Amino acid sequence: EAGVTQSPTHLIKTRGQQATLRCSPISGHTSVYWYQQALGLGLQFLLWYDEGEERNRGNFPPRFSGRQFPNYSSELNVNALELEDSALYLCASSSWRRSSYEQYFGPGTRLTVT
Amino acid sequence: QQQVKQSPQSLIVQKGGISIINCAYENTAFDYFPWYQQFPGKGPALLIAIRPDVSEKKEGRFTISFNKSAKQFSLHIMDSQPGDSATYFCAASKVYDGSRLTFGEGTQLTVNP
Repeated sequence: EAGVTQSPTHLIKTRGQQATLRCSPISGHTSVYWYQQALGLGLQFLLWYDEGEERNRGNFPPRFSGRQFPNYSSELNVNALELEDSALYLCASSSWRRSSYEQYFGPGTRLTVT
Repeated sequence: QQQVKQSPQSLIVQKGGISIINCAYENTAFDYFPWYQQFPGKGPALLIAIRPDVSEKKEGRFTISFNKSAKQFSLHIMDSQPGDSATYFCAASKVYDGSRLTFGEGTQLTVNP
């Protein structure tokens, strides 16, 4: 069974640009979560999508947004990039609606803002 | 507000020894407590998880001990191996709230051969 996949592996952008990160969940999982892992800040919850809807968001500004598609894949958009947005962005999926709470993570997208 | 505090920040253990990592939480609404292992350049991998209705859960060499009254839980790695050298994160969530994870700060474990 394929795990969570993310693309691209690495992304280099300039301050002020927009970044789009993509995630495909484990087959059968309808919930997708996004986390940011920045140096010195640990792992922080960004967004949760379930059944195509945004269900919850963490303490991040509105320029962090995303969506979930009918096939449950998801994308994270970061607008007006700032230097401090440089981080590893991790996607996880779960089968929360079936009361299976384990979250399985993908390998992440390393975003570098210069 | 740091809701999950993890210690120690780093840990060095000899091969065959027991590694113990501790976490404490503040929010009594948390009801799901997983542990993750992360190698450099990789995403976190789920090791083991516990719900508050049990005080201990064991899977292979990994054991979670849970103390609801003290709001603490810990990971024990028995017979630690050099391949266990990684960063370990505890986390907590509220399952009714979608299980968004609140992570501890992480523990860098080094197992010497």
